[in-house]
Amino acid sequence: DQQVKQNSPSLSVQEGRISILNCDYTNSMFDYFLWYKKYPAEGPTFLISISSIKDKNEDGRFTVFLNKSAKHLSLHIVPSQPGDSAVYFCAASGLNTGNQFYFGTGTSLTVIP
Amino acid sequence: EAQVTQNPRYLITVTGKKLTVTCSQNMNHEYMSWYRQDPGLGLRQIYYSMNVEVTDKGDVPEGYKVSRKEKRNFPLILESPSPNQTSLYFCASSRLLDSSFTEAFFGQGTRLTVV
Repeated sequence: DQQVKQNSPSLSVQEGRISILNCDYTNSMFDYFLWYKKYPAEGPTFLISISSIKDKNEDGRFTVFLNKSAKHLSLHIVPSQPGDSAVYFCAASGLNTGNQFYFGTGTSLTVIP
Repeated sequence: EAQVTQNPRYLITVTGKKLTVTCSQNMNHEYMSWYRQDPGLGLRQIYYSMNVEVTDKGDVPEGYKVSRKEKRNFPLILESPSPNQTSLYFCASSRLLDSSFTEAFFGQGTRLTVV
């Protein structure tokens, strides 16, 4: 049973435009959410996180939005660059969820020059 | 340089032949974990450890063992590998901060094929 879902396996965006990656979760006990970026032949690397006490966190070109009532988070990349082409995973955890991290299935982003 | 090191990077083995994938981190992190990545299934947690001598099952622990005798090392053991354990494996570590865990640092991955 997938507790964290990324329903779009892939996304293509023109360079300079906004990329929006979406993630849904089912467990209301999750209180910490993260986005990771993964290039081929490398391990995932941390991108940005958000705690459930916030609804937005921004770091340079990357912004994560959290809608707790909808159990939905999204990652916005503005402006998108070709180097952003990678697989993006969202992940969630909570102190009351057994200290496990739950990952989505990933979205492959292609930024077209 | 802060890092998580896994070995080997690639491994082909036969069904039933015991193997160990090593994982070491140099950041003094309390939390370590193992994941497998399969097409269409994302990253699934196999086992995790919150500190030395403390290990717990993740979502897909069947067929795997782990140990945490030292803080820096968290080996993954397949006692009798089977073809359905062919996968890409990642080790990760995180720091404990204010009763919760920070973002994970991942190793480079181990591509395992069981024939």
